[in-house]
Amino acid sequence: RKEVEQDPGPFNVPEGATVAFNCTYSNSASQSFFWYRQDCRKEPKLLMSVYSSGNEDGRFTAQLNRASQYISLLIRDSKLSDSATYLCVVNMRAAGNKLTFGGGTRVLVKP
Amino acid sequence: DGGITQSPKYLFRKEGQNVTLSCEQNLNHDAMYWYRQDPGQGLRLIYYSQIVNDFQKGDIAEGYSVSREKKESFPLTVTSAQKNPTAFYLCASTVSGQGNEKLFFGSGTQLSVL
Repeated sequence: RKEVEQDPGPFNVPEGATVAFNCTYSNSASQSFFWYRQDCRKEPKLLMSVYSSGNEDGRFTAQLNRASQYISLLIRDSKLSDSATYLCVVNMRAAGNKLTFGGGTRVLVKP
Repeated sequence: DGGITQSPKYLFRKEGQNVTLSCEQNLNHDAMYWYRQDPGQGLRLIYYSQIVNDFQKGDIAEGYSVSREKKESFPLTVTSAQKNPTAFYLCASTVSGQGNEKLFFGSGTQLSVL
């Protein structure tokens, strides 16, 4: 089993709709969680960190479920510009702060 | 402006050849990372370094080597032992390597085999 897993998609989303997807991690000792956005053949850019209590940034909401070992990202009122690959990143401090990426979830927002 | 510079943007390797990818940062960050990305895949960690003169293997270190002689530089050598080197390589850094910080990325190097 991979340490960090994501549904590769693509998630085809009508403009204005809501989309949500998860990222599961295998090591319960994982301590820090992030969502990055990557456009085709570009470097990833930090979208948001994920806090234990959940957090929101505009149309984006991130949640952490430690009991079931997953994080989620929800995008409301999808825009065409939200089309991208969303990568989750998990850090395990016990493993020397190794930042491990999931395989990414591709989201396509269509008019 | 501060940032991470990767060079070259495109690199071609002949069979049996070693090639070195450059990564330089002027952010005064302690930790630096090398990732490999194959088409349609996520990033896989090759090597990382939390401090000068020290580095650790990531998940796919075989066929690669690194050095960290200076804080601002973390070059990656793709050796002839790496049989499938064609990929997009990304260098990144964080302030202190604590694992709870934003990754700053370079713009990547696309390596292809001739």
